[in-house]
Amino acid sequence: SQKIEQNSEALNIQEGKTATLTCNYTNYSPAYLQWYRQDPGRGPVFLLLIRENEKEKRKERLKVTFDTTLKQSLFHITASQPADSATYLCALQGAADKLIFGTGTRLQVFP
Amino acid sequence: DVKVTQSSRYLVKRTGEKVFLECVQDMDHENMFWYRQDPGLGLRLIYFSYDVKMKEKGDIPEGYSVSREKKERFSLILESASTNQTSMYLCAAAILNTGELFFGEGSRLTVL
Repeated sequence: SQKIEQNSEALNIQEGKTATLTCNYTNYSPAYLQWYRQDPGRGPVFLLLIRENEKEKRKERLKVTFDTTLKQSLFHITASQPADSATYLCALQGAADKLIFGTGTRLQVFP
Repeated sequence: DVKVTQSSRYLVKRTGEKVFLECVQDMDHENMFWYRQDPGLGLRLIYFSYDVKMKEKGDIPEGYSVSREKKERFSLILESASTNQTSMYLCAAAILNTGELFFGEGSRLTVL
């Protein structure tokens, strides 16, 4: 069956460290994968898109990798700050171009 | 930036009531979506629309219908609300080529 898996346990890290979140998928062949940030009680906000022919994408302190062999994307936040605390969702292109979301990983950055 | 506006942030309705959730986007995007989000289940697609008067079922359309009479407006309708429809409802609009979604702030519906 098709699955998108993100670590359901919260990730707690200290300010200044690099946070790494994982998104694994099975039985999909997405042409692209996206990452969103969601704050409590708010709608998700788009962060980055990476295509299947791109190994890595960067935007300021954010970096995303996409390994189609491992069927995995890693999302990194360098020099993390308490303001980065949120839930991060990965989403990939499913059938008929529909976007399929993972359940998200909550990141908590403490001072 | 695209702005997607959902009409109500919080609603409380009774079982059996008809519920309308309205969504308006300001960037002339063809593609619009309705999701619901529940703890542990993530975002699940209810319905989507690629153009005016067009609608397609998502993964969980049962108990819902939609209306798209104008390009900028996509409405979700619960004909007879039930308690298992208590959820956060999120509307989104998409840039065609990339599929990047712009979400509204969400409507938290409680059905008593």
